Amino acid sequence: DTGVSQNPRHKITKRGQNVTFRCDPISEHNRLYWYRQTLGQGPEFLTYFQNEAQLEKSRLLSDRFSAERPKGSFSTLEIQRTEQGDSAMYLCASSLLGPYEQYFGPGTRLTVT
Amino acid sequence: GIQVEQSPPDLILQEGANSTLRCNFSDSVNNLQWFHQNPWGQLINLFYIPSGTKQNGRLSATTVATERYSLLYISSSQTTDSGVYFCAVGDGSSNTGKLIFGQGTTLQVKP
Repeated sequence: DTGVSQNPRHKITKRGQNVTFRCDPISEHNRLYWYRQTLGQGPEFLTYFQNEAQLEKSRLLSDRFSAERPKGSFSTLEIQRTEQGDSAMYLCASSLLGPYEQYFGPGTRLTVT
Repeated sequence: GIQVEQSPPDLILQEGANSTLRCNFSDSVNNLQWFHQNPWGQLINLFYIPSGTKQNGRLSATTVATERYSLLYISSSQTTDSGVYFCAVGDGSSNTGKLIFGQGTTLQVKP
């Protein structure tokens, strides 16, 4: 078990560009979560998947954000037409089914210039 | 929604000192986790403790769910303990498993 992995670790993009992040959860974990963390704050929930189904999205997830988890394995988070306010650390976590312990990946730090 | 408050927000210790970090939450929870965020931003799992007491080396944690608080104890602190400690809870009225985080306690251990 290699833990949760995320790629890329860092992304610098210009305002208006699209970006996509990838998360590979711990194998056999049914649930996959995305969180966003801005400087000096705790992480905030964005969305989660149970297998391939996206079951909840936060109001923080504007129409410019889309997430997928094809075949219930890895997940991608895409941000279209990035804005400077999107600059943050994007964290992915996975867990077994239920309110069980979540394990986090190293995160993708996005900087929008 | 459920509220999570951590105290103190900042803590400075001399190496070797003991400390207690507190997490208060406003409603019933079905999950409670303590994390240490390293300088690179990764959240390191310390404890999964929706109730009861656990110990792991110099760290221990206690959650009293009926009184809606959890405590993280760090004994004989080391400089490597420095960083941000987060408490995160799962809303007991929901089975989504999503975590609600507190604002964190920033710990600095001086040599």
